[in-house]
Order: sequence, then structure tokens, then C-alpha cells
Amino acid sequence: NAGVTQTPKFQVLKTGQSMTLQCAQDMNHEYMSWYRQDPGMGLRLIHYSVGAGITDQGEVPNGYNVSRSTTEDFPLRLLSAAPSQTSVYFCASHLLGEQYFGPGTRLTVT
Amino acid sequence: GENVEQHPSTLSVQEGDSAVIKCTYSDSASNYFPWYKQELGKRPQLIIDIRSNVGEKKDQRIAVTLNKTAKHFSLHITETQPEDSAVYFCAASISASKIIFGSGTRLSIRP
Repeated sequence: NAGVTQTPKFQVLKTGQSMTLQCAQDMNHEYMSWYRQDPGMGLRLIHYSVGAGITDQGEVPNGYNVSRSTTEDFPLRLLSAAPSQTSVYFCASHLLGEQYFGPGTRLTVT
Repeated sequence: GENVEQHPSTLSVQEGDSAVIKCTYSDSASNYFPWYKQELGKRPQLIIDIRSNVGEKKDQRIAVTLNKTAKHFSLHITETQPEDSAVYFCAASISASKIIFGSGTRLSIRP
């Protein structure tokens, strides 16, 4: 099993550009989440999903959209990138317990 | 919504001594409390978790305690070793679905 995969590993965007961070898991987990990690602020929940077709907002959802059309995939869309969205983004999946994190995407917005 | 406070933000202990990290949560409905370890440049990994029907759980040198009344939970690492140096995160969740993390503790082990 590949576990949780994320693409790309690194990305540089200009302010105002849009892009999609990809996340996929092959463990048949119902629950998936997106976090951003900034120095000194831990992992902050952006959006999460409890199953295909069901998503909900986390702590810091503004500026991000998600969808969950399949159990495996949970893409995160940045609508109009801002420098404040410079961060490391982690996707995670779980089945009512231990979360398995992807390797992360380091995003820089200039 | 749930809010998790974690202290201290940095902790330095002598190798062989114990380390304690404390967290508080705000939502009394939370019933799942995991702890994650993140080494430099790597993804977080679960080291231990506890559910609200249990007051304490141990796994070798690591233990977690939970006080539901006070809404506190703590991570205890005994006989610390150099490989324990990392950032540790506590988290809280209702039914292990929406998981909210604390801000992290950077633990350094002095030789």
C-alpha cells in the first residue's frame, strides 16, 4: 500500500493564482482531513470529510475549497492564492482513530 | 468549537530524565485524545492515544493520563533518549472524526 500520497511536493505561486493540491489514500479510510502547518502554530484543520460526498469546515477554511467525490481522493483548491497561505500542507486519512499523514506539500505564495 | 491548549512550547531535559507535556481542551464532548511526534522534515506520526473511558495508558516509556473533570491530559516520557528529540502534538476529537491539534512542544534531550 502507498498509504497517503500528496502532489506536488513543492509549489510556488504568485498572488492571485489558483491551484489544486492533490491527496489520495489507498487504505479505504472514510475520514480525510487537510491541515496547514505554520511555525509555532501547530497543525490547523482546514477542511475534513467523513465520507464520499460529505465535507465540513475546520478551524481555518477561508480561501480553500474541497470536494470528496470518491473515498480515495480529497483535493484542496486554493481559489486566489495570498502570501498568508504560504505554509506546509498535510493531508491525512483515518478510520476513527490513528491518522496517517501524507508527506506534505510546501507552498510558497509570492 | 474545540480548542486545544498545549504547554510548554519548548522543553529541554537531560538525557535519562523524564519529560511532561500538558494539554487542556475546551469541549467536554471530546472523547479521543491522540499524541503525535514529528521529527524534523517529516510527517507527524501517532505515538499513543487514549479514549475518555480510560484514565491512563502506557506503552513502554510513554504514558498518557486523562482528567475528564478538569479537561486536562498529559504525555509522560520516562528515561528520555536522544531519539526522543522532536516536536510533540496533542489533539482532541469528538468520536475521532474532526481532530483538533495543540500548537506543539519542541522537546530537546541534552546529552
